Amino acid sequence: GQQVMQIPQYQHVQEGEDFTTYCNSSTTLSNIQWYKQRPGGHPVFLIQLVKSGEVKKQKRLTFQFGEAKKNSSLHITATQTTDVGTYFCAGRSGTYKYIFGTGTRLKVLA
Amino acid sequence: SQTIHQWPATLVQPVGSPLSLECTVEGTSNPNLYWYRQAAGRGLQLLFYSVGIGQISSEVPQNLSASRPQDRQFILSSKKLLLSDSGFYLCAWSRDSKSGNTIYFGEGSWLTVV
Repeated sequence: GQQVMQIPQYQHVQEGEDFTTYCNSSTTLSNIQWYKQRPGGHPVFLIQLVKSGEVKKQKRLTFQFGEAKKNSSLHITATQTTDVGTYFCAGRSGTYKYIFGTGTRLKVLA
Repeated sequence: SQTIHQWPATLVQPVGSPLSLECTVEGTSNPNLYWYRQAAGRGLQLLFYSVGIGQISSEVPQNLSASRPQDRQFILSSKKLLLSDSGFYLCAWSRDSKSGNTIYFGEGSWLTVV
């Protein structure tokens, strides 16, 4: 079946450093979404990418969808302690299903 | 506005006991409903999804089952829990759209099987 992998699994950074997580799907995706889960909380939607090569920005966060629509990345510039959490990508499979990636747990050291 | 409620928030159950987790969505009609499981420190595994009353699609063979007795109610059940069923269970909903829609998650239910 379809698999969505994320790397790295864990990342510890000093506050102010940049952070990137990568998402790779075994199949072509119609769109991809990104979610953030704070420790002890539930995933919260960040953004959706639809077009091949699409790039979107939210303040310090930059999201990119690969040309082949099989991979995506999330880059955070100058991390802050509020960025702590697990970041998930989710690829759309068929009409109704979203398959979530394995997640990248980010820890920011002050 | 739409809200999603999931309960209980936490439960500790002995091996072999039954399970029932309930989820309701308010403020929308005919939502797509989902059950995900997250093992400790792991990713989100899609267990079941439903696009309508009585319509359940299972993603992973296991001793869990799901039911949708009403449009905005989704129930996760088990007749006999296993130790491996421990985890964080998340109910979620999305609008019915072919263009793709945000998935809204409930607060989650922490299940510990002892």
